[in-house]
Amino acid sequence: DVKVTQSSRYLVKRTGEKVFLECVQDMDHENMFWYRQDPGLGLRLIYFSYDVKMKEKGDIPEGYSVSREKKERFSLILESASTNQTSMYLCASSVGAVPPLHFGNGTRLTVT
Amino acid sequence: QQQVKQSPQSLIVQKGGISIINCAYENTAFDYFPWYQQFPGKGPALLIAIRPDVSEKKEGRFTISFNKSAKQFSLHIMDSQPGDSATYFCAASKGNFNKFYFGSGTKLNVKP
Repeated sequence: DVKVTQSSRYLVKRTGEKVFLECVQDMDHENMFWYRQDPGLGLRLIYFSYDVKMKEKGDIPEGYSVSREKKERFSLILESASTNQTSMYLCASSVGAVPPLHFGNGTRLTVT
Repeated sequence: QQQVKQSPQSLIVQKGGISIINCAYENTAFDYFPWYQQFPGKGPALLIAIRPDVSEKKEGRFTISFNKSAKQFSLHIMDSQPGDSATYFCAASKGNFNKFYFGSGTKLNVKP
């Protein structure tokens, strides 16, 4: 069974802090994704990566960056957290261009 | 602009009833249409998916109906059970499956 693990279930950070969200997958998947989930808006793609050190912007990349130094790990970085980044963040992975997406259980981030 | 529009936002169904969730899309290049199921505290998990070359796909109590000319697809849950209570997301993707566009979600409550 594919396992996508997000390091934190809940995070509380202050405005202006640099925040790291970590995600690890154990199935040697090429593609990894970061989504943001907000009520009434569904899931929106922030960034994705199709290989180590490769990344592409999704639909809402502003205020975020990512890092993928190893195939199994994909990090989302909030350079200077703001209150409008309070949300549920979901990491996902997939085998190359083959669906489906396998999701982690999410990190609920609160920025105060 | 939301690429996939989902309705209703919430749905209450009696045990044994039929739950119906609808989605509409504009981009005719979409060629893969999955439905994801999300329980509280968990990430979304693939429930069932369809490609546009078929009009219906059934897996157990779950059926996707697809209307290519109307650019609509729907999820039908027959004999709905309290254990089906969850949030459901429709999605669409095109080509290389790297980018999925999600609907806004439907919170289903099946009353015993």
